[in-house]
Amino acid sequence: GAVVSQHPSRVICKSGTSVKIECRSLDFQATTMFWYRQFPKQSLMLMATSNEGSKATYEQGVEKDKFLINHASLTLSTLTVTSAHPEDSSFYICSARDRGALSSYNEQFFGPGTRLTVL
Amino acid sequence: DQQVKQNSPSLSVQEGRISILNCDYTNSMFDYFLWYKKYPAEGPTFLISISSIKDKNEDGRFTVFLNKSAKHLSLHIVPSQPGDSAVYFCAARRGGQNFVFGPGTRLSVLP
Repeated sequence: GAVVSQHPSRVICKSGTSVKIECRSLDFQATTMFWYRQFPKQSLMLMATSNEGSKATYEQGVEKDKFLINHASLTLSTLTVTSAHPEDSSFYICSARDRGALSSYNEQFFGPGTRLTVL
Repeated sequence: DQQVKQNSPSLSVQEGRISILNCDYTNSMFDYFLWYKKYPAEGPTFLISISSIKDKNEDGRFTVFLNKSAKHLSLHIVPSQPGDSAVYFCAARRGGQNFVFGPGTRLSVLP
């Protein structure tokens, strides 16, 4: 099956630093990747949709200058949390849509997530 | 405004019995629904889906029922196993738009 990896799986950083999270589709090409954020005991909240070679589309209320997304290739998207603060501590999950999938509604595959803790 | 609701944050079921997880939605334009299963510190994994043209879809121990008039879907797991213990999210979408996720229900299957 399709595999999506995330790196790192866990990161602890000091307030004010920037953190980069990578999302890779390992065995398929992904024209579209999604970044979600999950707070404890809450649902997945879509932050942005990332399309290869173009600017990301951010959901309402998500600061694009704080959460920088780059989708440089068909297998890699990165999320950079700039000047992180404790309130940015969360579980960040990416997902990728298989470019080769034809009208397949379950073609969105999730990564294992990255736990960010900002001290 | 939460378009996809899972009103039970948690559910405990005895091993071997049926688990029923419920999901309600408000947008009548949603035409495709998914259930995802999520273990702690892992990403969600796809479980089962249903299109709005159907009212039931079955895959092994998992069955999803859709009641469009009530804007309600449910996931039945029979028989429940301890390995089914996880958080279950329902998700819905309209046409080619992005999925909207419910808040999840934590299922605990007791041995």
